[in-house]
Amino acid sequence: GAVVSQHPSRVICKSGTSVKIECRSLDFQATTMFWYRQFPKKSLMLMATSNEGSKATYEQGVEKDKFLINHASLTLSTLTVTSAHPEDSSFYICSARPGSGYTFGSGTRLTVV
Amino acid sequence: AQSVTQLGSHVSVSEGALVLLRCNYSSSVPPYLFWYVQYPNQGLQLLLKYTTGATLVKGINGFEAEFKKSETSFHLTKPSAHMSDAAEYFCAVSYSDSGNTPLVFGKGTRLSVIA
Repeated sequence: GAVVSQHPSRVICKSGTSVKIECRSLDFQATTMFWYRQFPKKSLMLMATSNEGSKATYEQGVEKDKFLINHASLTLSTLTVTSAHPEDSSFYICSARPGSGYTFGSGTRLTVV
Repeated sequence: AQSVTQLGSHVSVSEGALVLLRCNYSSSVPPYLFWYVQYPNQGLQLLLKYTTGATLVKGINGFEAEFKKSETSFHLTKPSAHMSDAAEYFCAVSYSDSGNTPLVFGKGTRLSVIA
């Protein structure tokens, strides 16, 4: 089946630094990928939709300069959290839709200290 | 706008009892409906989905859900709860089969199973 590989699974970074999260489609081409954020004990909130070769579409309230999304190839989308602060600590999940269903990465737990 | 409402942020059942997790959606077009389970500190696992066809959908781990258009509902059930069912459950909806349409999630229901 369609698999999305997300790395890293956990990352701890210092406040003010940047962190890159990668999401790869292993056995299909993903022209579109979705990035979600999940706060503790909360639901998944769509942050942005990335499209291969073009700019990402961000949801209202998401800072595009803080959460940089790049979708340079049909198999790779990246989310970079720039100048991270403790309030950016969260669980980030990527997703793609290779058919009628959706496939999700295993998520990245970001902790900013 | 698309939306999903999960009634009850927390449901507690006894082991062996019926599990019923409620989900209602807003719709102006036929929806694609999904239920996911999330265990602590893990990603999402698909339980079942409804796209077209039979309205009663069977999923993994003994779960099933029925799409009721007249009630705009897609409730998740399991006849007999196991301790291992304790987790967070999310109902989600999409209104298109297009690859660039994201899923919209409900707020989730935490299921506790009491021995």
